Amino acid sequence: ETGVTQSPTHLIKTRGQQVTLRCSSQSGHNTVSWYQQALGQGPQFIFQYYREEENGRGNFPPRFSGLQFPNYSSELNVNALELDDSALYLCASFGRTEAFFGQGTRLTVV
Amino acid sequence: AQKVTQAQTEISVVEKEDVTLDCVYETRDTTYYLFWYKQPPSGELVFLIRRNSFDEQNEISGRYSWNFQKSTSSFNFTITASQVVDSAVYFCALSEGLGSGNTGKLIFGQGTTLQVKP
Repeated sequence: ETGVTQSPTHLIKTRGQQVTLRCSSQSGHNTVSWYQQALGQGPQFIFQYYREEENGRGNFPPRFSGLQFPNYSSELNVNALELDDSALYLCASFGRTEAFFGQGTRLTVV
Repeated sequence: AQKVTQAQTEISVVEKEDVTLDCVYETRDTTYYLFWYKQPPSGELVFLIRRNSFDEQNEISGRYSWNFQKSTSSFNFTITASQVVDSAVYFCALSEGLGSGNTGKLIFGQGTTLQVKP
């Protein structure tokens, strides 16, 4: 039990639409980060939030945005979906000695 | 630049064999974390270990052991007496920097698929 939960678990969207993925982190974990994992690849860092501020971003366009809330929940928003956005999206919650991931949201863009 | 290389794409062993998964990393920082994760078919990344760059002691946890060698920039993972349930994709990852707010960026290797046959 990691204490990190993501919703929804699966999602199908149409190209051009917008999507919001949600993550609930462990209480007390002030850092959350989001990752995109394409099939057969390692997870790729999208961005991280620390105490509700974005403080690190990977090589992803601005249509990938996020929010972190005081209750340790966070969101990943993707606008103008493209077919290549189809992937498993993972959020991670960081404590002093551990880094736990949620079970992921599998997004399919058709 | 930061980089993690897992040269073994796929490994297949028979149950009860020992198996070592290799991980080589590149970083310019002197302080960093190294991680190993297991990803079963369900997709969730299961945390196995985090090691900071100041601690080169090897670690053993049950059938799992880790060998960290800064001299060769390697952080290898050994499973002793492998079991079918160990079948999964294993990822090694690097995080630069220590301290609050600066450890959320992990650089992952491509992963090693381990198949343990009965």
